[in-house]
Amino acid sequence: QVQLVESGGGLVKPGGSLTLSCAASGFTFTDYSMSWIRQAPGKGLEWVSYISSGSSRTKHADSVKGRVTISRDYVKNSQYLQMNSLRAEDTAVYYCARDLGGYLDVWGQGTTVTVSS
Amino acid sequence: EIVMTQSPATLSVSPGARATLSCRASQSVSTNLAWYQQKPGQAPSLLIYRASTRATGIPARFSGSGSGTEFTLTISSLQSEDFAVYFCQQYNDWPYTFGQGTKMEI
Repeated sequence: QVQLVESGGGLVKPGGSLTLSCAASGFTFTDYSMSWIRQAPGKGLEWVSYISSGSSRTKHADSVKGRVTISRDYVKNSQYLQMNSLRAEDTAVYYCARDLGGYLDVWGQGTTVTVSS
Repeated sequence: EIVMTQSPATLSVSPGARATLSCRASQSVSTNLAWYQQKPGQAPSLLIYRASTRATGIPARFSGSGSGTEFTLTISSLQSEDFAVYFCQQYNDWPYTFGQGTKMEI
């Protein structure tokens, strides 16, 4: 079945770095764009980053621009979100999602990032 | 960026009743709007895209309407499993933006 599984979350100190992974299965990974979305504790949803099916195009929210890199590995059928200079306000559950031209039809279960000293 | 505003923040309804949720965009998003349902401790799941098209496997009691700046999600007869938080999202322009959510409670 179509599935996305995130990993890589954890506790990190302010200013630290973390790389999140999202393993895709059950569909042709090369055919789809992907996005990352986050949800701070008790809050709503915030789109974070986007990468096109062929990796030629990426987009980032202003809140993370310059601090994150999104990438894909077509051998491992995975996408990644490398996050640097982490701040307390980056604390959230991070979801990866399949992006069908803007709407997000498949979501992973999420991985939790906590930025705290 | 396009600001999405949902109302009401909380909607108290009885099982079997009809529920109407609203979503307003700060500028036109055409029909590039999606609705998601999120249950406690779970990831969001897609209900509606292109303002009115039900996603695969979504029951017919869920319907979406609207275009431009005003959108509505209607649940015709609430089932127990429908009590959740609902988010709208525009994808007409970068960045994608979500409404703050409507919590549906019994």
